[in-house]
Amino acid sequence: DVKVTQSSRYLVKRTGEKVFLECVQDMDHENMFWYRQDPGLGLRLIYFSYDVKMKEKGDIPEGYSVSREKKERFSLILESASTNQTSMYLCASSLGGPIYEQYFGPGTRLTVT
Amino acid sequence: DQQVKQNSPSLSVQEGRISILNCDYTNSMFDYFLWYKKYPAEGPTFLISISSIKDKNEDGRFTVFLNKSAKHLSLHIVPSQPGDSAVYFCAASPYQGAQKLVFGQGTRLTINP
Repeated sequence: DVKVTQSSRYLVKRTGEKVFLECVQDMDHENMFWYRQDPGLGLRLIYFSYDVKMKEKGDIPEGYSVSREKKERFSLILESASTNQTSMYLCASSLGGPIYEQYFGPGTRLTVT
Repeated sequence: DQQVKQNSPSLSVQEGRISILNCDYTNSMFDYFLWYKKYPAEGPTFLISISSIKDKNEDGRFTVFLNKSAKHLSLHIVPSQPGDSAVYFCAASPYQGAQKLVFGQGTRLTINP
């Protein structure tokens, strides 16, 4: 069974703080993804990585950066948190190649006050 | 620009009846389609998928239909059970070999006993 874990289930931060969200997968997957989920907007891709130290912008990368130093770990960084970044953040991984299915972590509910 | 659209935010169905969830897409290059199910406070879980070369795929109570000429897919759940109450997302791979997915806004399905 693929397991994707996220460092926190709930997080409350203040405006302007630097925020780190961590994601770890245990199935040696090539690809990892960060999404945010907002009501009425579905899941929107922030960044993804197809290999260690490789990253590609998704649809809404502004205000975010990522880091992938090891294959199993993908971090999302909010350099200076703002209230409009209050959201549910979901990490996912996929094997790659012809396999499209992504496996998701439980999510981190981030509130920026 | 929403490339994958789920126009019904919510759907209510009687237990034992058929649930039909719909999804439309705009890009004829979309190659592979997936349905995910999401319970509150959990990450989405993969449910069923279909390649663009097929028009139907079945897995137990779940069947996905693809109508490429109409750029429409639907998920049928028969018979519906209370445990099916969740948010359902459709997703598409934007082109063959693409690893990232484009998600719809989601439909909240409620199964009434």
